[in-house]
Amino acid sequence: EAGVAQSPRYKIIEKRQSVAFWCNPISGHATLYWYQQILGQGPKLLIQFQNNGVVDDSQLPKDRFSAERLKGVDSTLKIQPAKLEDSAVYLCASSTRGVSYEQYFGPGTRLTVT
Amino acid sequence: KNEVEQSPQNLTAQEGEFITINCSYSVGISALHWLQQHPGGGIVSLFMLSSGKKKHGRLIATINIQEKHSSLHITASHPRDSAVYICAAHFGNEKLTFGTGTRLTIIP
Repeated sequence: EAGVAQSPRYKIIEKRQSVAFWCNPISGHATLYWYQQILGQGPKLLIQFQNNGVVDDSQLPKDRFSAERLKGVDSTLKIQPAKLEDSAVYLCASSTRGVSYEQYFGPGTRLTVT
Repeated sequence: KNEVEQSPQNLTAQEGEFITINCSYSVGISALHWLQQHPGGGIVSLFMLSSGKKKHGRLIATINIQEKHSSLHITASHPRDSAVYICAAHFGNEKLTFGTGTRLTIIP
């Protein structure tokens, strides 16, 4: 079974630029999560999708971050414009159903904003 | 408030030693995860448990519901076990709350 795929693995941009990350969950997984992990901290949930609907985006900075999962499969997370404090690893995870089910994580995208 | 605390923050040990990483949480949970994160950033789920004990190879996870405490043990530790180990908990049906992780370094 293929795991959660993410791209790119690494990205370096200047502040005020835009960036987009892509995630393809495990086939058949209805729930998809985007997490932000700042160095030295545990991951923080940015947004949770159930199929193509948003379940929880309470911690997503909506003035600069956006995410979509149009067909209920793969998803993109965008930051526009980026700030220095957005430097982090962005993790995508998926699960068969809701939060109480085991989550499978992708390799992450390490973003550096200079 | 839902909180997850891990100890120690950093742990260095010699190859072959028995390793214990601890996790405490504030209130009742529905499930607890132990995750492994390597320097590249990707996370691997090691265990999900809600009671008792689970074992996979040299890894053992236990949870004590009454004491709100879980431990991850590694027997016969090896340098390839060097990673950050993260405890994360489901409080009721809410999103996962993560600990800040334990950085484990195994010296050959």
